Amino acid sequence: QSVLTQPPSASGTPGQRVIISCSGSSSNIGSNTVNWYQEVPGTAPKLLIYSDNRRPSGVPDRFSGSKSGTSASLAISGLQSEDETDYYCAAWDDSLNGHYVFGTGTKVTVL
Amino acid sequence: QLHLQESGPRLVKSSETLSLTCSVSGGSITNSNYYWGWIRQPPGGGLQWIGFISYTGINYYNPSLMGRGTIIIDSSKRQFSLKLSSVTAADTALYFCVRYSGEAYYFDSWGQGTLVAVSS
Repeated sequence: QSVLTQPPSASGTPGQRVIISCSGSSSNIGSNTVNWYQEVPGTAPKLLIYSDNRRPSGVPDRFSGSKSGTSASLAISGLQSEDETDYYCAAWDDSLNGHYVFGTGTKVTVL
Repeated sequence: QLHLQESGPRLVKSSETLSLTCSVSGGSITNSNYYWGWIRQPPGGGLQWIGFISYTGINYYNPSLMGRGTIIIDSSKRQFSLKLSSVTAADTALYFCVRYSGEAYYFDSWGQGTLVAVSS
């Protein structure tokens, strides 16, 4: 199974901008759209970004997504204390008859 | 609004089959634009996609499960279920049932999750 690689942790002070990277391959990020989920451990994840850079209604515009080649990024601007939780990238992978892959997850800490 | 609710045994013995059911309310399970599936999260670990199936029977599974997983839909009961065979301690996890949009390509609805432990 393919996997998307994220840094285990990221941090910033309130108001700062934090960027989380997501590295994949040509069979996943390189050829399919990327989604980002925010998860409070033990609860159902919440969709933050879909189709690389689109926000569902209700998601603050502090959250933005981008993609280039086989990598994607999630940026959190104006970091707030409630942003301290886990973040996962995800995408469809065309290899092995097709399967869905999640990133390894990044814990964001607000200092 | 769509609501998904997991149910099933919270404790399964090693080498046996884990069985979970997801009940769907507030929306149709027969809409061919969606897939119905399962995602799990081991304690302290990350999210792992298990698989999903469409109402028309198109299915996909995580290759790392080595064929141990099966998802079926029972439209008459508005339910879908997961069977995971030959479980080990590594299958201990929080299991979420989910709906995947085949048009928008993301999981747009999640159950609250149910914790299943595998005992030896």
